[in-house]
Amino acid sequence: GAVVSQHPSRVICKSGTSVKIECRSLDFQATTMFWYRQFPKQSLMLMATSNEGSKATYEQGVEKDKFLINHASLTLSTLTVTSAHPEDSSFYICSARPAGSYNSPLHFGNGTRLTVT
Amino acid sequence: SQKIEQNSEALNIQEGKTATLTCNYTNYSPAYLQWYRQDPGRGPVFLLLIRENEKEKRKERLKVTFDTTLKQSLFHITASQPADSATYLCALHGSSNTGKLIFGQGTTLQVKP
Repeated sequence: GAVVSQHPSRVICKSGTSVKIECRSLDFQATTMFWYRQFPKQSLMLMATSNEGSKATYEQGVEKDKFLINHASLTLSTLTVTSAHPEDSSFYICSARPAGSYNSPLHFGNGTRLTVT
Repeated sequence: SQKIEQNSEALNIQEGKTATLTCNYTNYSPAYLQWYRQDPGRGPVFLLLIRENEKEKRKERLKVTFDTTLKQSLFHITASQPADSATYLCALHGSSNTGKLIFGQGTTLQVKP
């Protein structure tokens, strides 16, 4: 089955530093990946759509300069939280679907728990 | 605006019973609806997809219905087991043709032995 690997699974950083999260599709190519954020006992909130070879599309209210997304290859997308603050502490989850399958299910990584102190 | 609602209260049932979870949506005309399972601290895992022209879909002990008139989907787990305890999320495609999924807030199911 399609596997999405997300790294790191947990990260603790100090306020003001930047953190990079990687999302890889291990056995399929993904022209599009999605980044979600989830607060405790809440649903997944879509942050942005990551497109291979082009700029990401951000959802309303998500600061593109704070959450930098790079999708340099068909198997890798990265999310960088710049100048992180305690309010950025959350569970970040990436997802992907095989290229050419617009409506097929998403495959999710296991998330990154970010804690900003 | 588009809205997806799931019962935010936890559902507690006895092992062996059927669990029924509800997903309602407004201001949508989705062609597909999907259900996912999420365990604590993990990413969601896909369970079932149902199309607008399908009334019902089954997979082992799982059954999903899709009523486009009522704008509702029901998710059933028959002969429930403690291992079925998790949060279940319904998801719909956003209105634009980006393939992005919008999730409901999920319903937590607790199956007691």
